[in-house]
This record gives sequence, C-alpha cells and structure tokens, in this order.
Amino acid sequence: EVQLLESGGGLVQPGGSLRLSCAASGFAFSSYALAWVRQAPGKGLEWVSGISSGGEGTYYADSVKGRFTISRDNSKNTLYLQMNSLRADDTAVYYCAKVSGSGWSFDYWGQGTLVIVFS
Amino acid sequence: EIVMTQSPATLSVSPGERATLSCRASQSISSNLAWYQQKPGQAPRLLIHGASTRATGIPASFSGSGSGTEFTLTISSLQSEDFAVYYCQQYHNWPLTFGGGTKVEIK
Repeated sequence: EVQLLESGGGLVQPGGSLRLSCAASGFAFSSYALAWVRQAPGKGLEWVSGISSGGEGTYYADSVKGRFTISRDNSKNTLYLQMNSLRADDTAVYYCAKVSGSGWSFDYWGQGTLVIVFS
Repeated sequence: EIVMTQSPATLSVSPGERATLSCRASQSISSNLAWYQQKPGQAPRLLIHGASTRATGIPASFSGSGSGTEFTLTISSLQSEDFAVYYCQQYHNWPLTFGGGTKVEIK
C-alpha cells in the first residue's frame, strides 16, 4: 500500500523558514517523480514544486521560485520542501504527491501538513 | 501559464442523476489532463488521467472526454459519496495548473 506521510508544518512568522518532509512507503520511491501541492484555507489546489525521480530535475511555481527548494533522499525514501522567506499567502495545507507513471498527474497523495504564516 | 477554467462553480444534482462538469484550457493541452475528487478534510483523489483513462479503482460511473482545450467529466448516476469538489489539472506545460474546482452538491 502506497503511503505518504508529511511532517514539519506549523506556525511561523513572516520571513521565517520551515522544512517539510514526506516519508514514503509502498512503492519504488527512486523510480517516480514527486511533487508538493498546496491548498490555502477554503481555496483550490495550487501546484508548488516537482522533482524528477533522480532529483536532477526540479520545477517551481513562480509564486515560490527563489524562496522554496525541493529535494529528495532516495536512500531514505523521503521528499523535502525547504521554505524560506515565508509570507502570509504561503499559509496552506501542503500535500506531498506521487506522480503517476503517465505524465505529471498525481496518483497518490499524503494527508497534508498545515503551514500557518502569521504576524 | 495555461489557465484552467472550470464550470459551473457549483452544480446541484439529485442522487441518481447525471452530472456533467466542464474544464477549459487557455491553450491546447492535447490529452494531458487529469481530474480529481476532493471531499472535506481529505486529500484529493485521482479519478482520470490522459483526459479519459480511469485511475485504478475508479468506478465506471466516472468518465472523461475531450482533447485540446475542452474537457468533460461525467458522473453517470450520482451516489451519495460522489458529492464533493472536482478539480481538473493540466500537465502539458510548466507550471502545472489546476482549475478552480466545481462543487457538486445535493439538490
């Protein structure tokens, strides 16, 4: 059974940093691309960042480019999102998602971790 | 950036009836489109990828169609568990983008 378990969310002041983690199990981790998708309270889904299976390719939404860094450790089956210079509009539930084998759709999702940026 | 527009924003449907949801892309995305279902407090669930291929475990009551810029998700006979918010997502170009969602509610 595929499982994705996010952690690392919490309360942070504007300008602060957080590092999210996503521990994966139940599939060949190093064979699949992964992504982070967020959802602000009461709003829709927003893709944040993606990373190729080997980690050599990384992709970012314009809204987070230069502030967030995605990475992965295939030896630990873990995905990360380093978030710096956080802003109030980064407040959201952050989901880790596994990319399906046919294009960048997301066939498995974690339950999400809540990040609140408050002043 | 490819803008995905879903309509209607809210769809009121009686149980057992058919629901038809629309998604339009601001430029052609071929068949690089997925549909997701999200219930309150839950993560999204993949329903359809490649515009018309059902994901693993998705019942045949869900079907997707379209290519280019116009796409449709049809739920043939709504069950109580189908009342939720539905999102489309394009993966033709970076950045990946989602539509704003359609809420399917009980009429």
